[in-house]
This record gives sequence, structure tokens and C-alpha cells, in this order.
Amino acid sequence: RKEVEQDPGPFNVPEGATVAFNCTYSNSASQSFFWYRQDCRKEPKLLMSVYSSGNEDGRFTAQLNRASQYISLLIRDSKLSDSATYLCVVYENTGTASKLTFGTGTRLQVTL
Amino acid sequence: NAGVTQTPKFQVLKTGQSMTLQCAQDMNHNSMYWYRQDPGMGLRLIYYSASEGTTDKGEVPNGYNVSRLNKREFSLRLESAAPSQTSVYFCASRWVAGDSYNEQFFGPGTRLTVL
Repeated sequence: RKEVEQDPGPFNVPEGATVAFNCTYSNSASQSFFWYRQDCRKEPKLLMSVYSSGNEDGRFTAQLNRASQYISLLIRDSKLSDSATYLCVVYENTGTASKLTFGTGTRLQVTL
Repeated sequence: NAGVTQTPKFQVLKTGQSMTLQCAQDMNHNSMYWYRQDPGMGLRLIYYSASEGTTDKGEVPNGYNVSRLNKREFSLRLESAAPSQTSVYFCASRWVAGDSYNEQFFGPGTRLTVL
């Protein structure tokens, strides 16, 4: 089983739609969680952190469910510019070493 | 402030050739990383350097060597390139202190093809 699993998509949605991505992780000791965005042929960039209480940044809402080891990202009122691959990222720090594990990404295509 | 820079952006090698990928960061980060990204595999860590003077293997180190030249620079060397090393290579850096996560910044990537 992969440490971080995501549906690769693609998710094809019309502009203005609401779309949700999910991610599951296998390591219960994971401490921090993030969504990164990667545009085609570009480097990944941090989109937002994910907190247990849920957090919102404009049209983007992230949720964490530690009991189910599940992370989600909701995008409301999708824009053409939201078209990208969204990477689920999990962070663990054992005290002697820290580790970031990346999911393979979910591709979103927003159309007119 | 350029962030993380990588050279070259593109490279084509023949099997058996060697090359070095260069990476530099100007954010005074202590930790630097090399990843490869392949379709359906996600980003996989090749080597990392937690601080100047130290390097450690990541998930997929075979066929690669690294040098942390100074705090700013971290190079990745392919001694004898193989077609399986065709990939996109990303360098990254971040400040590591304590348990909390500080954002990791990536370079623009190097697209390597080995024929």
C-alpha cells in the first residue's frame, strides 16, 4: 500500500463548479499535512496547510480526519486558473529525522 | 531573491555518460533535497543534506551521488547514466528547526532524457 494515496483523475469540471479531492495516508504517526499545487511542467508550490479543525483560504477549504487518516481539499467556484495537479503531502518528524511523503497527485482540468 | 535555482533546465545524455545537476538556494536554508518525479510515481527523494557537510540517502539513491558544496549549493551527479534515470529532477530546500514544518521550496526542475 502506498504511504499517501490519491485518485489521479483527471477531474474535468466546468468553471464555477465545486470539486473535492481526497487523500489517504498510512502512517498514523504523521504530524502535519499539506496540499501542494503543481502546474504543468513546473515545480510544486505550497497551496495550504491542513489542520484538524479544518481551514479555509478563499475558495479553498482543507480538512483532516486523523481517525480515518484522510485529508480533503474542496475548491469552490472553480476558475480556469485552478487547472493543475494537486499533491497531498504528509510530514513526519521522528526527532532524529524528518520526512515529507508526496502523493502522486490529482489532476484538475477546469473548462469553459 | 531568486529562491532555488537549477541548471541545466534540459539535458539529453547517452547511456553511460556522466553529468552533474547543479542547485543553489539563496534563502539561507540549512536543508537541501534532490527528488525525481516520474509519471504515476510521485516525487521520490534521492538524497538529502540536513546541513552543510552532511548528506544522506533517500528512497532511491542508487546510481547517484551528491555533494553539499557549501550552505548554498547541493549538486547531484550521475556517474553512468541509464535510461531508467530519464526523469524530471527537482532540487528543494527548507529551514529545519525543531519539530515544526517550515515550507519547502522547489527549484524549476531539470528534464533529463537518457537514450
